[in-house]
Amino acid sequence: GQQLNQSPQSMFIQEGEDVSMNCTSSSIFNTWLWYKQDPGEGPVLLIALYKAGELTSNGRLTAQFGTTRKDSFLNISASIPSDVGIYFCAGQLRNFGAGKSTFGDGTTLTVKP
Amino acid sequence: EAQVTQNPRYLITVTGKKLTVTCSQNMNHEYMSWYRQDPGLGLRQIYYSMNVEVTDKGDVPEGYKVSRKEKRNFPLILESPSPNQTSLYFCASSSTSTHQDGYQETQYFGPGTRLLVL
Repeated sequence: GQQLNQSPQSMFIQEGEDVSMNCTSSSIFNTWLWYKQDPGEGPVLLIALYKAGELTSNGRLTAQFGTTRKDSFLNISASIPSDVGIYFCAGQLRNFGAGKSTFGDGTTLTVKP
Repeated sequence: EAQVTQNPRYLITVTGKKLTVTCSQNMNHEYMSWYRQDPGLGLRQIYYSMNVEVTDKGDVPEGYKVSRKEKRNFPLILESPSPNQTSLYFCASSSTSTHQDGYQETQYFGPGTRLLVL
């Protein structure tokens, strides 16, 4: 099946710093999704993107749907300790957020106070 | 309160003993999915359902079955579990609505079912 390469695998940052992570694919997707997972919990949807070039924000989080449709980016500004967790990207072929999904392997974020 | 429930939350079983993990959502969502999560491999989709009686394979369907007889329930069936199905399983439901500004995605994951097959 399709594969997503998510990078970096892990990040150790100081509180207040900005964070960037990305996902790339060998084939196109029509929907990109970003999730956060806390230990012992299920993933929580952060941002959904539906159009190439789209830039969407959710508080301090901003995500972009790459213009080639083969990549997506997530930025977190002014990180705080509760940002700690694993961030996953996912791509879907359908135009809406449903159907067959492929996930990246995750970026583990550690924030030092 | 909007929620996706899974049962059981933890299960230890033996190879070959059929089991069912239930998933139920109270949001009238059309779309439901099952995933497994293994260390270092992220989440991999097992099956998904676009509506009642409509199911399709994800990336790792082998050894699993699903059914969608009602909108709210999407059970995952392991007819003959094997040790390589030891994993953390998540059910999810979602819907997409259109607004003046575009689309709004609503998606919830269940709390997970940790399965150990001996």
